[in-house]
Amino acid sequence: DTGVSQNPRHKITKRGQNVTFRCDPISEHNRLYWYRQTLGQGPEFLTYFQNEAQLEKSRLLSDRFSAERPKGSFSTLEIQRTEQGDSAMYLCASSLRAGGREKLFFGSGTQLSVL
Amino acid sequence: AQTVTQSQPEMSVQEAETVTLSCTYDTSESDYYLFWYKQPPSRQMILVIRQEAYKQQNATENRFSVNFQKAAKSFSLKISDSQLGDAAMYFCASKSKTGETSGSRLTFGEGTQLTVNP
Repeated sequence: DTGVSQNPRHKITKRGQNVTFRCDPISEHNRLYWYRQTLGQGPEFLTYFQNEAQLEKSRLLSDRFSAERPKGSFSTLEIQRTEQGDSAMYLCASSLRAGGREKLFFGSGTQLSVL
Repeated sequence: AQTVTQSQPEMSVQEAETVTLSCTYDTSESDYYLFWYKQPPSRQMILVIRQEAYKQQNATENRFSVNFQKAAKSFSLKISDSQLGDAAMYFCASKSKTGETSGSRLTFGEGTQLTVNP
C-alpha cells in the first residue's frame, strides 16, 4: 500500500495556460474525491467519482475545470485558461466503503501557483 | 447545507499538557458524521477521530477524545499528554449521512494551528 499519490507536487504556470494534475488512488479504492485548499482555509469539495462515474460536482467546478477517471483507476483534473484565483493546493482522496463506514485517505496535494 | 466554524486560528500547548480545540457546526441533517483531521507540514490530511451523530457516547482514540454536544452543535477535540508530533493544523469537518450509499462531501472548518512547546 503506497497510499494516494499526486503529481506533480508543485506546478507554476502563467495565467491563461492549461494545467493537468494526476491522482493515483490506493489500488482497491473505488471512490475518489478532489478538494481545493487555499491558504489559511480548509479544503473545499470539488468533485467525486465512484469507479469511473463522476457522481457529484461542486459549483466551484466552473466550466474551465474538468475531471476524469478513465477505467476507474487514476484521475486527472484539468484547468483550462488558468487565472490567478486558481492558485491553491489541489487535494485528492480515495476510499473504499466497507460496512457503512468510509475512511478517506488523502494525498499530499499539488500546489498550483498561477503567475 | 452544512457549515463548520473553528474560532481559534492558533493554539499552543506545553508538551505533556492537555489542550482543547473548539468547533461548532450547523446542519439541517438529522444524521451525520463529525471528524477531526490533522494536516502536518507534509500536507497530507490524516483522520484523527470520528463521531457518529446518533451516538451519545463521545469518541476516543488513545490520547484524543471529543466532547460532542449535539444540542449546542459543538464538537471539541481534547488532546491529552501532548507530544511534539501533535503540532499541525487541525480541521473539524462534517459529512451528511444521507449520502451513505453514494458517498458525500466533507465540509471543513477553517482550521486551528496547534503549536506544541517543549
